[in-house]
Amino acid sequence: GAVVSQHPSRVICKSGTSVKIECRSLDFQATTMFWYRQFPKQSLMLMATSNEGSKATYEQGVEKDKFLINHASLTLSTLTVTSAHPEDSSFYICSASRSTIITDTQYFGPGTRLTVL
Amino acid sequence: GDSVTQMEGPVTLSEEAFLTINCTYTATGYPSLFWYVQYPGEGLQLLLKATKADDKGSNKGFEATYRKETTSFHLEKGSVQVSDSAVYFCALSDRSGGGNKLTFGTGTQLKVEL
Repeated sequence: GAVVSQHPSRVICKSGTSVKIECRSLDFQATTMFWYRQFPKQSLMLMATSNEGSKATYEQGVEKDKFLINHASLTLSTLTVTSAHPEDSSFYICSASRSTIITDTQYFGPGTRLTVL
Repeated sequence: GDSVTQMEGPVTLSEEAFLTINCTYTATGYPSLFWYVQYPGEGLQLLLKATKADDKGSNKGFEATYRKETTSFHLEKGSVQVSDSAVYFCALSDRSGGGNKLTFGTGTQLKVEL
């Protein structure tokens, strides 16, 4: 199956700093990438959808200036948490899809655990 | 809006027991339905899917049938193994919203013991 990687797998940072998380599709071209946030014992919450070469579409309630998403190529998307605070601590998961067709499969990365001190 | 409700876990079973994980949904359009599985330390993987009413998705001994009348997509397996221990997520993708954005349930942890 298609493989999606995330880097780093864990990151600890100080409050006020920015953190960048990378999501790569290793063996396919991803027209669309998604970023999710998962709280303990809760569902994955979609944060934003990004299409290669276009601005990301953010879900209601997600601050676009705080969570910067770049999808510069068909194999790489980045999520930058700017001026991170302890409430941003969470598990961030990306997924990638070859298309926007509704039945097309999303392939998920292993996630990044962010801890903000 | 769209939502997915799953039974709470953890579900603990003995090996070779029958498994059912309930999933019901609400959607404004005609969704596609999915089950994803997350093994410890790994990303979510698609387990099976169904794209229209009465479709049955199946994979690795797991099955789920798209029931429009009861808005359900329950996951079943006749005989579980220790290796099936994981977290299972039910999800939907609603055509009316465009694209393939997924709405997830909260996940159900399955523990299978010898």
